[in-house]
This record gives sequence, C-alpha cells and structure tokens, in this order.
Amino acid sequence: DIQMTQSPASLSASLGETVTIECRASEDIYNGLAWYQQKPGKSPQLLIYNVNTLHTGVPSRFSGCGSVTQYSLKIKSLQSEDVASYFCQQYYDYPLTFGSGTKLEIK
Amino acid sequence: EVQLVETGGGLVQPGRSLKLSCAASGFTFSNFWMSWTRQAPGKGLEWVASITPSGGTTYYPDSVKGRFTISRDNAQSTLYLQMNSLRSEDTATYYCTRGAYYWGQGVVVTVSS
Repeated sequence: DIQMTQSPASLSASLGETVTIECRASEDIYNGLAWYQQKPGKSPQLLIYNVNTLHTGVPSRFSGCGSVTQYSLKIKSLQSEDVASYFCQQYYDYPLTFGSGTKLEIK
Repeated sequence: EVQLVETGGGLVQPGRSLKLSCAASGFTFSNFWMSWTRQAPGKGLEWVASITPSGGTTYYPDSVKGRFTISRDNAQSTLYLQMNSLRSEDTATYYCTRGAYYWGQGVVVTVSS
C-alpha cells in the first residue's frame, strides 16, 4: 500500500500569511494527487486534483505542486474562511490512501 | 445539481450487520464509478470501497475486505454498502462519493454494545 505522510499535523498562521502543507508518498504516485479541505461538521471538498489543477470555484490563492513522491499545497494571503483541515490523497493505485490531515488555525 | 444522500446509519452492536444506501440524483448514475469513504470521530479519511459503473468490479482495502460489500442499482440510481461483522473500529461517518468531486453529507455508524 502507498503511505501518505502529511505535515505538519497542525498549523497556526496570521491572516494574510502564506502557508504550505506537505505530503510525501512512500513511492512514486505519478501525479495522482488531490487535496481536500474540510470545515468542521462538513463533508470534505475537493480543492486540487492532478497535483496542480484547481477544482471549479476554488480561489487562485490555493495552489499545488510536486512530483514523484513529494507534493505540497500552498495557501497565499490566508483568509479567515481558510480555517479547516486539509487532506492529501493519492489515487494512482488501490488502495486509495489519504494523508493524516493538517488542521489550520488563525493565529 | 448533483446530490448524494446517504441513509441507513445508526447504532449497532459488534458482530452485527448494517446496510447503507446512497440515493444519487442530478447525473446519469450508471456512467460513473462510485465509492464509500469513512471518517472516524476526530480522525482522518479512509477509503472503504469503490465500484465500476456496471457494478462488475469492486475494490476494497484490507481493513474491510471480506466484511463489506459495495453494490449498486443503476435503475434506482442507488449505491449500497453492506457491512457485516462490524467492529468498534468501524465507527465513523460514512460518505458516498462520485469521484473526488462530489460527496454526500455523510451518515453516522456507531458500533458499540
């Protein structure tokens, strides 16, 4: 199984700051990577797929990059509505696996 | 508008069974892969099962293989998850998903005596 190691587990940043969340795959996932945002009490929402393709309606201050085993999600100009948990997921191979999540708070 | 509505959750004793349903609307159900993903309280996401559009092929992680069965009724636009031999670690919110884009609101399953 492909393990997804996500860091940090939690993150506190100020409004307007830029934050980065990392995900490392245990083997090459050939860019089969998505990022999700989950707000408390809500279902996960797709942010990015295929490493760097923004899902419809996602603000351009979200971006993704990476390759092979190393991937990251960047959020520029942090807004209050970005408070949420973020998860990466590899969909290159079964079983589909997720990172353990990053809880983002506003300082 | 795509809608996925899960039902069938509840409290069940360890070792017993439960069947979840997901009513789909707003798209041609028979054209799409469908999946179940779960989230234990306060924890991360875990993929549970996937099924091809025809229902002919299914996929499971080892954690549920042999206990859970995903199925679909394309005529009724409904996805199912039959869960047998339930364990406390199966306690979670279960989401019906269409690809990565569409998620239902989730249904809570609690396995406890």
